Amino acid sequence: DAKTTQPPSMDCAEGRAANLPCNHSTISGNEYVYWYRQIHSQGPQYIIHGLKNNETNEMASLIITEDRKSSTLILPHATLRDTAVYYCIVRVARDSNYQLIWGAGTKLIIKP
Amino acid sequence: GAVVSQHPSRVICKSGTSVKIECRSLDFQATTMFWYRQFPKQSLMLMATSNEGSKATYEQGVEKDKFLINHASLTLSTLTVTSAHPEDSSFYICSAQQDSWPTTDEQFFGPGTRLTVL
Repeated sequence: DAKTTQPPSMDCAEGRAANLPCNHSTISGNEYVYWYRQIHSQGPQYIIHGLKNNETNEMASLIITEDRKSSTLILPHATLRDTAVYYCIVRVARDSNYQLIWGAGTKLIIKP
Repeated sequence: GAVVSQHPSRVICKSGTSVKIECRSLDFQATTMFWYRQFPKQSLMLMATSNEGSKATYEQGVEKDKFLINHASLTLSTLTVTSAHPEDSSFYICSAQQDSWPTTDEQFFGPGTRLTVL
């Protein structure tokens, strides 16, 4: 079962910051939050991940609340190429492996 | 770096035939590979997890005799859909992970294989 909930869709104007929320209220203390995106009919692309602290890389920033029950992915200057389905994922440990538990994702549409 | 390829990208086959899909990690050794299936407008569903040299671990509801997984080397895993039927038509995606338990690493995904069974 998915451990995350996201809005099904969002719009954002080109050049503005896109803020994608995610709820993961049942996350356990050692489970990471991952974000991937998927452009139509392609494989998912890794964006960022974090445990407790906020994280930033060349693609995005990840803000995790202090209680770790929710997070926000921020694309600072959205472009048309950022149109994709964004998945907020909890990584769980199972049978000596880590597995990504995928939710339904948010379809982000960047408008000119 | 961290590139994963899949072959073929698209395959159309007749009902009853078997189809093999290859997943390769091009520039790293993958101790663990994952196979997912994605139906239209749905999220990814994990089918199985395979560690090099070991039998794959299948998710509940996935028939291991129908979806044969071989992870014979650190850079190659194959998924064979045996006796394919139209309901097996889907987008199959593999991913590869470099480090082994309990170290951490993200999964790198292949571009996917679109299977259509007529």
